[in-house]
Amino acid sequence: EAGVAQSPRYKIIEKRQSVAFWCNPISGHATLYWYQQILGQGPKLLIQFQNNGVVDDSQLPKDRFSAERLKGVDSTLKIQPAKLEDSAVYLCASSFELVVGNTIYFGEGSWLTVV
Amino acid sequence: GEDVEQSLFLSVREGDSSVINCTYTDSSSTYLYWYKQEPGAGLQLLTYIFSNMDMKQDQRLTVLLNKKDKHLSLRIADTQTGDSAIYFCAALAWNQGGKLIFGQGTELSVKP
Repeated sequence: EAGVAQSPRYKIIEKRQSVAFWCNPISGHATLYWYQQILGQGPKLLIQFQNNGVVDDSQLPKDRFSAERLKGVDSTLKIQPAKLEDSAVYLCASSFELVVGNTIYFGEGSWLTVV
Repeated sequence: GEDVEQSLFLSVREGDSSVINCTYTDSSSTYLYWYKQEPGAGLQLLTYIFSNMDMKQDQRLTVLLNKKDKHLSLRIADTQTGDSAIYFCAALAWNQGGKLIFGQGTELSVKP
């Protein structure tokens, strides 16, 4: 079974530029998550989708971050304009359903450096 | 809301047992997870425990849960150099929409 796919793996941009990350969840997984992991910290949830609807985006900085999940499969996370403090690993994850106990599987992450 | 705390570093000798500790604050957290992250990689689910269990064993891994003290531990028997990684404890915060709340991670260093 293929895992959660993310691209690009690495990206370096200048502050005020924009960047987009793509995620393809495990086939059949209805729930998709984007987490931000700053160096030395645990992952923090940015946004959670159930199919193509947003379940939780309370910690997404909406003035600069946006995410969409068209057709309930792939998802894109965009940052515009980027700030230095956005340097982090952006982890996409998916689970079969939004049900307590369903295992959440993570991709390898997209590493962003803002200079 | 839920808060999860871990010690930051642990160093052991190859062949010894490692014990990584975690505390959480929300007693309503029903599932508790351990993830492993190797350098440059994503998070790999190691194991999880449901709140009605005290212990779960899976090969070299033993998870102990003390609900009274809200304390979770992960024991790795016969630790190998390949176990060197960052280990994250995570709690499923049901009163926060079912999101996973992670600790800051414990870096395990295994010396030969």
